[in-house]
Amino acid sequence: DSGVTQTPKHLITATGQRVTLRCSPRSGDLSVYWYQQSLDQGLQFLIQYYNGEERAKGNILERFSAQQFPDLHSELNLSSLELGDSALYFCASSVSSSGSGRAYEQYFGPGTRLTVT
Amino acid sequence: AQTVTQSQPEMSVQEAETVTLSCTYDTSENNYYLFWYKQPPSRQMILVIRQEAYKQQNATENRFSVNFQKAAKSFSLKISDSQLGDTAMYFCAFMKNTGANSKLTFGKGITLSVRP
Repeated sequence: DSGVTQTPKHLITATGQRVTLRCSPRSGDLSVYWYQQSLDQGLQFLIQYYNGEERAKGNILERFSAQQFPDLHSELNLSSLELGDSALYFCASSVSSSGSGRAYEQYFGPGTRLTVT
Repeated sequence: AQTVTQSQPEMSVQEAETVTLSCTYDTSENNYYLFWYKQPPSRQMILVIRQEAYKQQNATENRFSVNFQKAAKSFSLKISDSQLGDTAMYFCAFMKNTGANSKLTFGKGITLSVRP
């Protein structure tokens, strides 16, 4: 158990709909990252938050947005869903985004499997 | 931009034997981290080992060790005394040491099967 929790574990929804994925980082971790794993694209970085502020964006679609709340949990919002958005969405957390050694280690949650029909 | 290449899609090893998984990367950065993650059939991503680019000494974690060749941009994972529970997909990952953006860039992964 990494200490990172994600809900829900599975989500089945229809095209055009909007969903929210939730992540709680490990206790004490300030940085949260979202990744998407799909068969054709592999594991891709979407977005990073550090202590409530957006730090970096990767290949995140404009239909997707995220935020990190004062209690450090994060939510990833996916809207106008398409079939191609079906994937495993991971949240990861680390102590910080700077420093050295273990501070850089990212620990992953169990993921949310999204199926768009 | 950084790229990570895992050219072997699949490997198989007999239980108790040793196996080496290959990874190469391309970067112009001098300060970075490299990781190996394991993804078993449960799909959970598990951190196996970390290597700092500025350290010449290869990292080890119990049965797992790496061979880090900075000049060759090579980062292989050696699993000793393979166990059935090592059956999983293994991902090599790169991270710049910048502080502002510490995303992981992953390779495509390699599927390792441990035979009884």
